[in-house]
Amino acid sequence: KNQVEQSPQSLIILEGKNCTLQCNYTVSPFSNLRWYKQDTGRGPVSLTIMTFSENTKSNGRYTATLDADTKQSSLHITASQLSDSASYICVVTGDNAGNMLTFGGGTRLMVKP
Amino acid sequence: DAGVIQSPRHEVTEMGQEVTLRCKPISGHNSLFWYRQTMMRGLELLIYFNNNVPIDDSGMPEDRFSAKMPNASFSTLKIQPSEPRDSAVYFCASSPQDSGAQGTQYFGPGTRLLVL
Repeated sequence: KNQVEQSPQSLIILEGKNCTLQCNYTVSPFSNLRWYKQDTGRGPVSLTIMTFSENTKSNGRYTATLDADTKQSSLHITASQLSDSASYICVVTGDNAGNMLTFGGGTRLMVKP
Repeated sequence: DAGVIQSPRHEVTEMGQEVTLRCKPISGHNSLFWYRQTMMRGLELLIYFNNNVPIDDSGMPEDRFSAKMPNASFSTLKIQPSEPRDSAVYFCASSPQDSGAQGTQYFGPGTRLLVL
């Protein structure tokens, strides 16, 4: 069964600190992996999308890594800001008709001043 | 560009009533997705259209749910009859032409549905 597991479920950090969120998946065959940021009360916004051949991708202070061999991804946030407080969702897309989108449960991040 | 537009933003209805949610995708995007999000189950894909044709509706929970896309600029998600367990935030997302489920999706602001 396709699954995407995210950890931790929630995280509290101080402003200015770095943090890393984890995503492990069992989706096969694999097409791509995306990280979304979802602010409270709003729709998810895409941060990064990575295919099998990519092992790192950055978007400002956000850097995503992908290890397709171990089926693990991480999202690293550098020099956190209060506006980074949100839920971060990992989504894995399969590579056949019956293998659409599998969502992780998300990590809820709170950045405190 | 106005982004993906959803209406209404909030809906409160009584059990048994029909509910219709509306979505206007980003102009030029040919793929459209309907999602449901709850605290218990997270984000779930309900149905996905490509060029106005339903490609995968395996996520539609039951026959009470139906979705249509009569043209490239409009889609509806209908629940009839509604039940309290349908209470959730319903998101519509669109994706650029030819990307299908593989490309970046742009989400609307969502419709918060409460069924009493």
